[in-house]
Amino acid sequence: DGGITQSPKYLFRKEGQNVTLSCEQNLNHDAMYWYRQDPGQGLRLIYYSQIVNDFQKGDIAEGYSVSREKKESFPLTVTSAQKNPTAFYLCASSMGVGGEAFFGQGTRLTVV
Amino acid sequence: KQEVTQIPAALSVPEGENLVLNCSFTDSAIYNLQWFRQDPGKGLTSLLLIQSSQREQTSGRLNASLDKSSGRSTLYIAASQPGDSATYLCAVTGTNAGKSTFGDGTTLTVKP
Repeated sequence: DGGITQSPKYLFRKEGQNVTLSCEQNLNHDAMYWYRQDPGQGLRLIYYSQIVNDFQKGDIAEGYSVSREKKESFPLTVTSAQKNPTAFYLCASSMGVGGEAFFGQGTRLTVV
Repeated sequence: KQEVTQIPAALSVPEGENLVLNCSFTDSAIYNLQWFRQDPGKGLTSLLLIQSSQREQTSGRLNASLDKSSGRSTLYIAASQPGDSATYLCAVTGTNAGKSTFGDGTTLTVKP
C-alpha cells in the first residue's frame, strides 16, 4: 500500500530537548517537504529536498534541521533553539518539482 | 512573494446545495494549483491538481477552474453532503524553486 508514513502521531517535548519526527515514503518520489501548521492557519514550509543528499531551507527553517540520506526518508529534528515548537507537523512528497503533492497524517508536537 | 487568499474563511450550507470556494494568488508564475481537503487532526488529501496550462479539472462532484492571468481558482462542489464537511485548502507551486504556498483554508459545514 503506497503512501507516506509519519511517526509518531503525538509527541511531547520537554524544554531544552531535541526531538526527531519521522517521515517515510514508498512512492518513489524524488521531492520531500516538511510543513508546520498552526491552529486556523495554512501550512508554512520548513525545509524541502528535491533529491537525495540535498535540501533547502523553507520560509521558517530556524530551530529545525533535516537530513536526506535515503530517497525514502526525510526526518525532521526540532531543536531546543525552536522557541515555539508546539504545532502540527506535516510531511509531503511529490514526483518532482511541480508534481502532485501527497501528505502524511501528521505529527502533533506539544511542549510540556 | 507569493500570497494566497481563500474566501470565505468559513461557510455553512444545507445539504444538497451547490457551492463555490474561492482561491486567489498574487504571482501568476506557477507550475500548478492544487486543492486539498483536511479533516480535523488529519493530514491533507489531494482533491484536484490543475497544471498551469489547464483551465479546469473534474473529479466526481468536484470541479476546479484556474484563471492564471487573473490569479484566481474556484472549487465547485455539486449537491453537497454532510460528509463534505472539512477544511479545503488551495496551494500554488511557483516556478521559482518549485515551492508551494498555501492559503489559510475555507472551513465548510454541510448541515443535514
